[in-house]
Order: sequence, then structure tokens, then C-alpha cells
Amino acid sequence: GEDVEQSLFLSVREGDSSVINCTYTDSSSTYLYWYKQEPGAGLQLLTYIFSNMDMKQDQRLTVLLNKKDKHLSLRIADTQTGDSAIYFCAESNAMFSGGYNKLIFGAGTRLAVHP
Amino acid sequence: EAQVTQNPRYLITVTGKKLTVTCSQNMNHEYMSWYRQDPGLGLRQIYYSMNVEVTDKGDVPEGYKVSRKEKRNFPLILESPSPNQTSLYFCASSSPGTGGGYTFGSGTRLTVV
Repeated sequence: GEDVEQSLFLSVREGDSSVINCTYTDSSSTYLYWYKQEPGAGLQLLTYIFSNMDMKQDQRLTVLLNKKDKHLSLRIADTQTGDSAIYFCAESNAMFSGGYNKLIFGAGTRLAVHP
Repeated sequence: EAQVTQNPRYLITVTGKKLTVTCSQNMNHEYMSWYRQDPGLGLRQIYYSMNVEVTDKGDVPEGYKVSRKEKRNFPLILESPSPNQTSLYFCASSSPGTGGGYTFGSGTRLTVV
């Protein structure tokens, strides 16, 4: 079945770039997502990329997709303490008509930003 | 404000005592879903609903029930909770053409003793 894997922990210094990596197994994925979960909160959609794209940039966030290797990464430039959170990678397996997507989530990467 | 509202935020209960976690969205979304989050496992789908009176099992439906009598509400029912259902639960909603952008509730932390 579908599987999404990511490392569980990343520690970076404030001001450095963070790179969070993710691999997935479903080659028919249509969208891939990055969600952010702050303590005590739900998941917030950060960005997503369509499977026919290689890269997407949104301010400090850069998403890279290597479809051949089924590898997705999220780069956060100039990482700040407010970026400390759990980041979830997810892929959609569009099983339903009407454009609904079932999301398969990874276990989440805890990003710790230290001075 | 567009949002998904879950209640309660925290709940401690005893084994076997029926409980309901409510979920409501104000975005007129057709699709709603329940997930549970456990350490090291990420989010796993419990049940989903594609519209009123249309529900189906996700990946871990055992021990749970849902209903969708109105478009905005999607309650999660635990008829006889057990300790292995201690978890953090999230409700989410979505609509076609949003790029799969789910809107999540703030979560319900359930402890079954």
C-alpha cells in the first residue's frame, strides 16, 4: 500500500536553512503536501505541489520534487524560532471522483530551532 | 472565520463509557474526515464522508462510528472506548478543486483509563 516516510527530528541554528525530506511510494500521487503543526494546534497547510512540477517557491519556502526517486523536500530559508513545529509530508491518492483526495501522511518531522 | 470546530479539546473517560466528539465546519465543504495521531505513526484516517448520508471506513475504523446527517456536522462516536483509543483526534474538511487542501480542527486529546 501507500507509504510516506520522513525522518523524525531535525535541529537547526536560527538563521540557517532547514531541509526536511520525505519519500513516498505511490507513483500515481497527484499532489504532495507539507503541513505544519504547532504545539496544541491542528495541522496547517503550508504548501503543496502538483506531481508534474519539479519545484515550487513561496517566500521562505521551497519545495523540490524528484518524481523519479519519489522524494520530496521542504527547504525553509532563514529559519526562525517561530518555525519550530512538526512538519508533515502527505501525498494524495486521488481515489474519488469529484476531485476529492485521500491524504496519506508521514509520521512528521519535529524541527527544533536553537539560537 | 472559516474553520473546523471540534469539541471537546480534552477528554478523560473510563473504559466502556460511550462518548461523542463533535465536529462542525462553516465552509460548506462536502468532504469531511476523522484522523487519529499517534507518536511515530503520523495521522491515520478513521472514517470519511463525501457528503450527507455518505460515509465510509478509512484505514483504522475499528471501534468507531460516524454519522453525517447534516453537511456541516460529522460526529465521531466511540460506543465502548478502550485504552488503545487514547490518542489525539483531528477532524478535517475539504472541497473539490482546492488542491486537496484540508482544513483541520484544533484536535481532541482523548484519554481512556
